[in-house]
Amino acid sequence: EAQVTQNPRYLITVTGKKLTVTCSQNMNHEYMSWYRQDPGLGLRQIYYSMNVEVTDKGDVPEGYKVSRKEKRNFPLILESPSPNQTSLYFCASSLRDRGSYNSPLHFGNGTRLTVT
Amino acid sequence: RKEVEQDPGPFNVPEGATVAFNCTYSNSASQSFFWYRQDCRKEPKLLMSVYSSGNEDGRFTAQLNRASQYISLLIRDSKLSDSATYLCVVNRLRTNNDMRFGAGTRLTVKP
Repeated sequence: EAQVTQNPRYLITVTGKKLTVTCSQNMNHEYMSWYRQDPGLGLRQIYYSMNVEVTDKGDVPEGYKVSRKEKRNFPLILESPSPNQTSLYFCASSLRDRGSYNSPLHFGNGTRLTVT
Repeated sequence: RKEVEQDPGPFNVPEGATVAFNCTYSNSASQSFFWYRQDCRKEPKLLMSVYSSGNEDGRFTAQLNRASQYISLLIRDSKLSDSATYLCVVNRLRTNNDMRFGAGTRLTVKP
């Protein structure tokens, strides 16, 4: 089954304790992206990657890191989480070169992070 | 001002009703447009793309008005299963790396 898999689904942590949220897709997609969703704000892009070893900042990259060493994986790293990073996080992927009309975003099922 | 604005609702309608959502966008250079559906605590899923000439998919009709910079979604004969949040998505580029999401419009269809 074609899918984007995120782990964990729920995570409660304390300020300053490094954490990683994993994202893996099995569709051979070049493009992957991380979003956070907060009430009233919609999804905001954190980082994205157009291909292996190519990553770029989105709109809200502060406090986050990513890596793209393999095509299928795109982990999100919070080196020193803070309470304002409490949010619902989604990973997404798509083909890169077919244009957005021909390659919709496929989302993972989300990670709800709480930082106390 | 947000780049993509939607009425948050909630819209509470009876089964069988017709309901319409509007979404406005501020960047006139936007190139592609979509409606995504998001069920409570779940991931967004593509409902339909929105083309310049307007398009229909069963009970759903999407329209684009570039001059006024808004897109709309019309749902006819509402079903209980249509209850969800509908996200308006606008893309300034040909590729997916600049998608802008509205905050969503919540719809509840009641028996």
